[in-house]
Amino acid sequence: EAQVTQNPRYLITVTGKKLTVTCSQNMNHEYMSWYRQDPGLGLRQIYYSMNVEVTDKGDVPEGYKVSRKEKRNFPLILESPSPNQTSLYFCASSVNKGARREKLFFGSGTQLSVL
Amino acid sequence: DQQVKQNSPSLSVQEGRISILNCDYTNSMFDYFLWYKKYPAEGPTFLISISSIKDKNEDGRFTVFLNKSAKHLSLHIVPSQPGDSAVYFCAASAPRGSTLGRLYFGRGTQLTVWP
Repeated sequence: EAQVTQNPRYLITVTGKKLTVTCSQNMNHEYMSWYRQDPGLGLRQIYYSMNVEVTDKGDVPEGYKVSRKEKRNFPLILESPSPNQTSLYFCASSVNKGARREKLFFGSGTQLSVL
Repeated sequence: DQQVKQNSPSLSVQEGRISILNCDYTNSMFDYFLWYKKYPAEGPTFLISISSIKDKNEDGRFTVFLNKSAKHLSLHIVPSQPGDSAVYFCAASAPRGSTLGRLYFGRGTQLTVWP
């Protein structure tokens, strides 16, 4: 089954404790992206990747890191999480580089709480 | 600054009637628009899209209208069904330059269809 898999689904952590949210897709998509969803703010793009070893900032990249060492994986790293990073996170991928003509496939989300 | 705006956070419609969800954008470079639907505890899923060379695109009960001069698009659902109850996100992208790879989302509209 074609899918985008995020782990974990729920995560509670404390301020400053490094964490990684994993994202993997099995559709051989070139484009991958991370979004966060906050009440009243909709979906905001954190980082995106057009291909392996190519990443770029979205709207809200501060406090996050990403890497794209292989095509299927695009982990989101919070090196020193803070409470304002409490949010619902979505990973997404699409079939072509631009994501303009092709629909995004989203994972089921990771609910992160930073205490 | 929000480049894609969904000014109605919620909409309530009776089953069988038409639902009209609105979206405005400010960036005249946007040339491709998409609608995503999101159920609770799931990731958004692609619903319908429209290119700026068109003013209408139809897919079953869903029709998207684009008014470029007004920088406005709308999603019509006819007839509305209770299963359509979800959050609907409008999204837009631009064709070139540093924004390639960026998808800008609105804040979403919660549609509730009641029997």
